[in-house]
Amino acid sequence: DVKVTQSSRYLVKRTGEKVFLECVQDMDHENMFWYRQDPGLGLRLIYFSYDVKMKEKGDIPEGYSVSREKKERFSLILESASTNQTSMYLCASSLGGRNEQFFGPGTRLTVL
Amino acid sequence: GQNIDQPTEMTATEGAIVQINCTYQTSGFNGLFWYQQHAGEAPTFLSYNVLDGLEEKGRFSSFLSRSKGYSYLLLKELQMKDSASYLCVPNTGFQKLVFGTGTRLLVSP
Repeated sequence: DVKVTQSSRYLVKRTGEKVFLECVQDMDHENMFWYRQDPGLGLRLIYFSYDVKMKEKGDIPEGYSVSREKKERFSLILESASTNQTSMYLCASSLGGRNEQFFGPGTRLTVL
Repeated sequence: GQNIDQPTEMTATEGAIVQINCTYQTSGFNGLFWYQQHAGEAPTFLSYNVLDGLEEKGRFSSFLSRSKGYSYLLLKELQMKDSASYLCVPNTGFQKLVFGTGTRLLVSP
């Protein structure tokens, strides 16, 4: 079974802090994704990566950056956290072709 | 571009059968996913249809008509734990998938 893990289930940070969210997958998937989900809304794509060191902006990249130095790991970085980045963050990975996405358990981030 | 239309919310009773319809318009199409998402949790895969017709998997079945841009998810013998959102997600052939808000299903005793 594909396993996607995220570094924390719950995280509390202060405004202005630099925040790192880590995601690791164990199935050699080439594609990895970061989403955020807010109450009553669907998943919104922040960034995705289709290969090591490659990244593309999603629908809401402002205030975020990403890093993919190894195939299995995709990091989301909040350079200077703000209260409007309080949200659930979901990581996913997929293999090309079928494009079925497998999700991690999510990180619920609160920025105070 | 992509357009997906499914009901916002449905209610049903434990033990009943419910059908969640989805119509879609996409610029490319390889198949269609159905995902389940419980409140506060990540989406999980339910089914993937590539060809026209019905695919059954236990209490859940999914149907696809490519020519009509139509799919449905059929849930039988509803249980309280089936209360969740159900997301209809076309695979357009690009790496990205678009997850809408889906259909929120409320199952009552």
